[in-house]
Amino acid sequence: QVQLQQSGPGLVKPSQTLSLTCAISGDSVSSNSAAWNWIRQSPSRGLEWLGRTYYRSKWYNNYAVSVKSRISINPDTSKNQFSLQLKSVTPEDTAVYYCARVGAGGALDIWGQGTKVTVSP
Amino acid sequence: QSVLTQPPSASGTSGQRVTISCSGSSSNIGSNTVNWFQLLPGTAPKLLIYNNNQRPSGVPDRFSGSKSGTSASLAISGLQSEDEADYYCAAWDARLNGWVFGGGTKLTVL
Repeated sequence: QVQLQQSGPGLVKPSQTLSLTCAISGDSVSSNSAAWNWIRQSPSRGLEWLGRTYYRSKWYNNYAVSVKSRISINPDTSKNQFSLQLKSVTPEDTAVYYCARVGAGGALDIWGQGTKVTVSP
Repeated sequence: QSVLTQPPSASGTSGQRVTISCSGSSSNIGSNTVNWFQLLPGTAPKLLIYNNNQRPSGVPDRFSGSKSGTSASLAISGLQSEDEADYYCAAWDARLNGWVFGGGTKLTVL
């Protein structure tokens, strides 16, 4: 059974970097049929896809235009996990952040438990 | 402003059938499959429908999905109080090269 376990701080100061990690069990971050995503949810913006990393003989990334200049998603094959870094955060980045897998069926089928991140001094 | 358009609210009484619509464009729903998710307060999104009309194991057959052109629908039959939740549609957008979501529909069971 595939599970995703998120970790990271729930409070980040404005202008600093938000960092979250998603540990994978039951699958591999290097899978040739999966993609590993970060998505956030806020009352004002609903669900918003932030980006993904995936392996198809080499590593690829895609990022949402809205955060492209500030975001980095990286795999860690030694720990079978992937991470999110979002730089220069503002209160607008306050949200519940989720990691999620797109499996072989092409759906966002497995989600992490969510991390509520507040950006505040 | 969400890329996919859903009604903000829907309602029905216990036992009724309710449908929730999701409208997109040729670059998302028109060329890719649709997922539907259920969000309950304090819990992670739960995949209800994938590939337009497929249910993951464990999802009751009261939930069904359909797609036509650039629109999709989620139908819930035999409405139950536990179905009261927020529902979101999603699809891959080939032009934006990313997942796009609807704004969500809050379902109330009267």
